[in-house]
Amino acid sequence: QVQLQESGPGLVKPSETLSLTCTVSGGSFSSYYWNWIRQPPGKGLEWIGYIFYSGSTNYNPSLKSRVTISVDTSKNQFSLKLSSVTAADTAVYYCARMALAGTISLLDYWGQGSLITVSS
Amino acid sequence: DIQMTQSPSSLSASVGDRVTITCRASQSINSYLHWYQQKPGKAPKLLIYAASSLQSGVPSRFSGSGSGTDFTLTISSLQPEDYATYYCQQSYTTLLLTFGGGTKVEIK
Repeated sequence: QVQLQESGPGLVKPSETLSLTCTVSGGSFSSYYWNWIRQPPGKGLEWIGYIFYSGSTNYNPSLKSRVTISVDTSKNQFSLKLSSVTAADTAVYYCARMALAGTISLLDYWGQGSLITVSS
Repeated sequence: DIQMTQSPSSLSASVGDRVTITCRASQSINSYLHWYQQKPGKAPKLLIYAASSLQSGVPSRFSGSGSGTDFTLTISSLQPEDYATYYCQQSYTTLLLTFGGGTKVEIK
């Protein structure tokens, strides 16, 4: 069974960089797109971006200037960095696997989520 | 950007009721539409992919339909464990994945 687990500090100060890591276990790391999605408290889901196992990336244009997603295939991990955070970046951050069903991409496995609070 | 609009934003229903949730895309997305269920404090769970395909392990009371711009998620007989928030999501363009605003299904 594929499992994803987010890890990182729960509290980040304004203007600093948020860093999260997702560790994947129980399945292949190759040939998938690995995603970050966030959800502000009481609100809906916002896709942040993804990285292919080979390292190619794609980001949400609304966050692109502040986001970096990287991968470490030796550890089956991928990471998120979001710079210059403000209170508006307070959210539960999820990592998720994107699989292909034919030509259709879908998010089939998700981590449990990590609440990140931006506050001084 | 492809905007996804869900309706209603919330509904109240009783156990055994038939429940229908609608999702509309701002442009045609063929069948690149998926439905997720999210319970409080939990991650979203994939229910339906490609508009009408049931994810493995999901009860058959859940079904999806539609193509182009208009899609529907139906729960044929609502069960206590189905009270949750439901989201649609398009992957027509994987350059920018977008979700609907969610539909909260509450106990009547």
